[in-house]
Amino acid sequence: DTAVSQTPKYLVTQMGNDKSIKCEQNLGHDTMYWYKQDSKKFLKIMFSYNNKELIINETVPNRFSPKSPDKAHLNLHINSLELGDSAVYFCASSPTGESNYGYTFGSGTRLTVV
Amino acid sequence: DQQVKQNSPSLSVQEGRISILNCDYTNSMFDYFLWYKKYPAEGPTFLISISSIKDKNEDGRFTVFLNKSAKHLSLHIVPSQPGDSAVYFCAASADNNDMRFGAGTRLTVKP
Repeated sequence: DTAVSQTPKYLVTQMGNDKSIKCEQNLGHDTMYWYKQDSKKFLKIMFSYNNKELIINETVPNRFSPKSPDKAHLNLHINSLELGDSAVYFCASSPTGESNYGYTFGSGTRLTVV
Repeated sequence: DQQVKQNSPSLSVQEGRISILNCDYTNSMFDYFLWYKKYPAEGPTFLISISSIKDKNEDGRFTVFLNKSAKHLSLHIVPSQPGDSAVYFCAASADNNDMRFGAGTRLTVKP
């Protein structure tokens, strides 16, 4: 199946831990994104990569570090997790940057920090 | 599996006229539906939502209609304004989990 897949789907962890969320797309898209959805359903962009290069880096704590080993993967590593990091994180991809409408979203990773 | 589909990649309307964006879904367990609007270089912003117990929700110029039997929802913008030009995403979730998004429709409102 062609898709954007995120793992894990659910992640429950304690404060202070370090965790990673993986994202992979097999659509041949050049651009990948990480979004954080808050409790009011708003999606905030965190990072955007185009062909492994960072193009958008919104104001997020530097505890969040994206890693793009190749253009099909964009992983999100979070250090020293805090309660406020609890949210649903969505990965997405699009063919070429912001000008193209063909976004495909992953189904989300629900992170709960306890 | 594309559970939420927006079959029209683009739509162009004249300023002042109605814009109708359509969305179809396949999962009958979806009970909450949302529309997001996205400008270039920005993340999607929440626009309007509807739960499955309703068939219509209105907020100013924006109205979302839900037809559960057809598994179809639509977003109406009346009157359309040039500032409405953006990409619109339809999204759906079941029990507030596992949100699925459509691929988006690019709306262009011409002056």
